[in-house]
Amino acid sequence: NAGVTQTPKFQVLKTGQSMTLQCAQDMNHEYMSWYRQDPGMGLRLIHYSVGAGITDQGEVPNGYNVSRSTTEDFPLRLLSAAPSQTSVYFCASSPSLTGELFFGEGSRLTVL
Amino acid sequence: KQEVTQIPAALSVPEGENLVLNCSFTDSAIYNLQWFRQDPGKGLTSLLLIQSSQREQTSGRLNASLDKSSGRSTLYIAASQPGDSATYLCAVLGNAGKSTFGDGTTLTVKP
Repeated sequence: NAGVTQTPKFQVLKTGQSMTLQCAQDMNHEYMSWYRQDPGMGLRLIHYSVGAGITDQGEVPNGYNVSRSTTEDFPLRLLSAAPSQTSVYFCASSPSLTGELFFGEGSRLTVL
Repeated sequence: KQEVTQIPAALSVPEGENLVLNCSFTDSAIYNLQWFRQDPGKGLTSLLLIQSSQREQTSGRLNASLDKSSGRSTLYIAASQPGDSATYLCAVLGNAGKSTFGDGTTLTVKP
């Protein structure tokens, strides 16, 4: 059972480039979410989804786009990368809105 | 807006000590609270989940309590070991699936 899988694990971008962070889960969880973690800080919610076709904004959504076409996948798109988006990104899933959160191993992004 | 505070930000103890990590939150309308462990450069490992109707959960040397009325949760670690050294994060799950994390407590257990 792979759980929550994130790719890539590391990525370096130049300012203005776009890219997609992939997140997949094989636990048939309805709820999925994306967070960013900056040094010395906790995680901040970017976007979340309560099921296929349904997404909503979290605390820090600007500069990011998401879609949920299947239960398994929840990609995070950076439309035009900025140095302020240098961070570690975590994807999580849960069986329900109020259930336990399961995290991927993270994707480290550096924007030059 | 929910705010979560973890005190202290860092803690250093000798091996064998019992210790308490604190997590406080401003909005008591929560569904559950979850404690995580994070090792440097790694992901989050779930330690304990406390549903809003529960007052505590135990797993091995770990015990987490929840007092919604006072907006507090504590994580008790018994007989600490050097392998317990890590950052401990608490997360509060509130309305509409929005979770709020504290900044964490970095624990160092000295041999």
